[in-house]
Amino acid sequence: GESVGLHLPTLSVQEGDNSIINCAYSNSASDYFIWYKQESGKGPQFIIDIRSNMDKRQGQRVTVLLNKTVKHLSLQIAATQPGDSAVYFCAEKSTIQGAQKLVFGQGTRLTINP
Amino acid sequence: DAGVIQSPRHEVTEMGQEVTLRCKPISGHDYLFWYRQTMMRGLELLIYFNNNVPIDDSGMPEDRFSAKMPNASFSTLKIQPSEPRDSAVYFCASRDRGYGYTFGSGTRLTVV
Repeated sequence: GESVGLHLPTLSVQEGDNSIINCAYSNSASDYFIWYKQESGKGPQFIIDIRSNMDKRQGQRVTVLLNKTVKHLSLQIAATQPGDSAVYFCAEKSTIQGAQKLVFGQGTRLTINP
Repeated sequence: DAGVIQSPRHEVTEMGQEVTLRCKPISGHDYLFWYRQTMMRGLELLIYFNNNVPIDDSGMPEDRFSAKMPNASFSTLKIQPSEPRDSAVYFCASRDRGYGYTFGSGTRLTVV
């Protein structure tokens, strides 16, 4: 039969607007979270991280919010620029059977419209 | 700092052939990870090493896949024999004692 590819959620925003990318994680025991940006043909690039003892962390133009109650993570990008167009992944670090794993979400494709 | 270096960037091979992917982690990083990225399954962890020792290989698809880390500056991921379903982008990442994961640019493998 025909195979079904991974359909990435997409978000389109106007240049200069703010964008919010959401992520639901699975393991309530995860203690560290990272947002990565992946441009076409490149590896994931670190954007910002947050530990589970925090609920907000800010970087340059980016803010990560963590809601452990509902296991939800968000990435806010302020004043988006064309260079922000990419696929964004959240990742959670879990310890499973003694082994540390960085587990990635499916990703969200962000498109910046001029 | 040259970052995590992977080679080759692209590999096209025929089904049944052996394929070896290479990775040089960032100097001083004591963790090394191999990931595979496909449209079907996204980014999957295959195996990771700590201080050159394999810690968890539960993500390795089957016996056709093997990984080694003979020293702190080099790792290989080998597929023998290769199959078309192995076609993917393979990433290597390294991490220091903190949590700073750094990814390489990946190797795009096509098995025909």
